Amino acid sequence: QKEVEQNSGPLSVPEGAIASLNCTYSDRGSQSFFWYRQYSGKSPELIMSIYSNGDKEDGRFTAQLNKASQYVSLLIRDSQPSDSATYLCAVKGEGTDKLIFGTGTRLQVFP
Amino acid sequence: GAVVSQHPSWVICKSGTSVKIECRSLDFQATTMFWYRQFPKQSLMLMATSNEGSKATYEQGVEKDKFLINHASLTLSTLTVTSAHPEDSSFYICSARDRLNYGYTFGSGTRLTVV
Repeated sequence: QKEVEQNSGPLSVPEGAIASLNCTYSDRGSQSFFWYRQYSGKSPELIMSIYSNGDKEDGRFTAQLNKASQYVSLLIRDSQPSDSATYLCAVKGEGTDKLIFGTGTRLQVFP
Repeated sequence: GAVVSQHPSWVICKSGTSVKIECRSLDFQATTMFWYRQFPKQSLMLMATSNEGSKATYEQGVEKDKFLINHASLTLSTLTVTSAHPEDSSFYICSARDRLNYGYTFGSGTRLTVV
């Protein structure tokens, strides 16, 4: 069974610090990777997508992908209390449109 | 950007009744619609995938006669929870895949409470 694994947390970081969120996946054929942020009671919102090995930066967010290690991460620089949410890693496998979600990591940024 | 409108945002119904949830893609054509369910403090679990004009494909363990999905057009998909029971109480979320740029856009979710 294809799986996406995340540490459930909570991950607590002080305001202004870097938060590092990690995700591993089991399907080696996976091609597309997504990070979503979900506030309590709300729908997920896309933060970043990444498709090739290496880093991809967008503002305070950097996604990192290592397909050989089947590992994808999200770095949040200059963390703000408003970043406090659950971060979901989602993976699209080869030959399918389905997104498989991890269990999410709860991030808490304290002032 | 792409927007998916999901209604209702919350609904309370009596046990044994049916509830319909609607998702519309407002500014794009959704070739594929995904329906998820999320229980408290858990992740999104895919229930089914539907393509416009064809029958939905259900994930293992999801009762297709209980969760009826209709995807009659490229902009509208509905999920009907039939004969709802308290254990069906959950957060239901749709996601549409854009025909042109292959992105995934989520609806705002529907909180269903069955009493």
